[in-house]
Order: sequence, then C-alpha cells, then structure tokens
Amino acid sequence: DVKVTQSSRYLVKRTGEKVFLECVQDMDHENMFWYRQDPGLGLRLIYFSYDVKMKEKGDIPEGYSVSREKKERFSLILESASTNQTSMYLCASSSGLAGLQGEQYFGPGTRLTVT
Amino acid sequence: AQRVTQPEKLLSVFKGAPVELKCNYSYSGSPELFWYVQYSRQRLQLLLRHISRESIKGFTADLNKGETSFHLKKPFAQEEDSAMYYCALVYGNNRLAFGKGNQVVVIP
Repeated sequence: DVKVTQSSRYLVKRTGEKVFLECVQDMDHENMFWYRQDPGLGLRLIYFSYDVKMKEKGDIPEGYSVSREKKERFSLILESASTNQTSMYLCASSSGLAGLQGEQYFGPGTRLTVT
Repeated sequence: AQRVTQPEKLLSVFKGAPVELKCNYSYSGSPELFWYVQYSRQRLQLLLRHISRESIKGFTADLNKGETSFHLKKPFAQEEDSAMYYCALVYGNNRLAFGKGNQVVVIP
C-alpha cells in the first residue's frame, strides 16, 4: 500500500518567515508533485520532480522553491511566506512506468495559515 | 494547451437518484483521463481511469472523444458518495491537469 506522508497537518506561520513542507513516499516512485488546493480553484501544480535533483515548474511556481536530494523525499520551500500563500498543500507521487501515468498517490495535506 | 472543465461546483442529489458529473477536456494529444475523489477528512484518491473501463463503487465514466467529454455517472446515489470529485487529464511528463472539482452532497 502506497504511503505518502507530509510532515505537518496544520502549520501557522508569520508573514516573511521561511517555511519548509516535507513529503516522503515509500514506494520508490520516480515522480513527486506539490499542489495547492483552494476552494473554487481545484488543484494547481506548483512544482514537479521526475528524478533526484530534477525539478520542473508547474503552473504557479512564483514564491516557491523545491528540493529533492533523495528519491523518497520532496520538500517545498516558501522563501518568504505571504498571506496569499495560505492554503492546503498536497504532495503526491507516481510511478514513472509507462501505463501508470496519471495514477498519483496523495498525502493527507498540510493546511498552512500565514498571518 | 490542456484544459479540464467541470462546469458545476456543487451538485445536490437525493439518495437513490442518478448522479452525473460533467467533465470536458481540451488536449491536442491522445487523452488519458481520470476521476479522483476526496471524502471528508480523507486524502485525495483515484476513483477510476478511462483505460480500465471499470465500475468502481457503482460509478462509471466513458470517454467520448467526439464530444471531448468524460462524464462520471452513477444510477443510484448513496449517502457515502458525498465528496469532492475531480476530473484529471494526463499531459507531458506524467503531469495531471485537474478540473476545479465538483462538491457532491447526497441528501438522505
């Protein structure tokens, strides 16, 4: 059973703080993703990684960066948190094998509030 | 560019009534589509994929390339179907484009 874990369920940070969100998967998946989920906007891709140390920007990368030093771990970094980054953040992973594209496994989410 | 449209934000149905969630897509390549579901206080999970042509929890979805649609249907809604549903499309490098989601409320 695929397990994707996220370091925190709830997080409250102040404007300007540097914020780290951690995600770990235990299925040896090549691909990992960070989304933010907002009511009425659905899921929007922030960043994507298809291999260790590899990353690609998603639809809304501004204000975020990522790190993938190990295959199982994908970190999202908010360099200087702002109130408009208050959101639910979802991490996901998927296999890189042909035929399994699109089958993403999600973490429980981190609800981040920036005050 | 790829795009997934789910026109209705909120859908309320009575228990036992049919439910249909609409999904339309725009994509230049060969489409691969999915429905994901998120129950209250649970993580987002895959419900079904068009390639499998299977029925999961009584739900089915047929890919109609002519109408560029992948509507989700269930003939008799149950209370446990209350959830948020997302239609999603695979595009370049294993990414998913999600629709904005449908909140389904099944009224007992």
